[in-house]
Amino acid sequence: DVKVTQSSRYLVKRTGEKVFLECVQDMDHENMFWYRQDPGLGLRLIYFSYDVKMKEKGDIPEGYSVSREKKERFSLILESASTNQTSMYLCASSQASGRGGDTQYFGPGTRLTVL
Amino acid sequence: AQSVTQLDSQVPVFEEAPVELRCNYSSSVSVYLFWYVQYPNQGLQLLLKYLSGSTLVKGINGFEAEFNKSQTSFHLRKPSVHISDTAEYFCAVSPLGSGGSNYKLTFGKGTLLTVNP
Repeated sequence: DVKVTQSSRYLVKRTGEKVFLECVQDMDHENMFWYRQDPGLGLRLIYFSYDVKMKEKGDIPEGYSVSREKKERFSLILESASTNQTSMYLCASSQASGRGGDTQYFGPGTRLTVL
Repeated sequence: AQSVTQLDSQVPVFEEAPVELRCNYSSSVSVYLFWYVQYPNQGLQLLLKYLSGSTLVKGINGFEAEFNKSQTSFHLRKPSVHISDTAEYFCAVSPLGSGGSNYKLTFGKGTLLTVNP
């Protein structure tokens, strides 16, 4: 079974703090993704990575950065947290089959509250 | 670029009734199509996906979906729902082919299915 784990289920931070969200997958997947999920907006892609040290902006990268130093780990960084970054954050991973259409496997999510 | 429209934000049904959750997409290129489900307080998991071949796709938990290219739709159906099917359902697309941006999914806004006794 593919397992994607996220470092925290719930996190409360203060405005201006630097926040790290960690994601680890155990299936040697090439691709990893960070989404945020907000009611009525669905999932929106923040960043994704298709290889170690490679990253690409998604639809809403402003205010976020990422790091992928090892294949199994993908970190999302909020350099200076703001209240509008209060959200559910979901990490996912997928194989790069070479054909496309690969299933993404999701972690349980981190609910971040910024006060 | 792709976009996905889920026509109903909420669908309430009674247990053992049939249900259809509607999904339409827009894309300038051919796409792969997915349905994911999110149970309360959990991450998303794949229900089913269409890559090629038969346009009727069967997934887990008795769900199925039909790809209609002319209507750019991929509606999800189940003939008889259970209380345990209460969840949020997301339709998603990705462009055909591999490499880089082709691995990205574009999601709809979700449909909350509530099954009542």
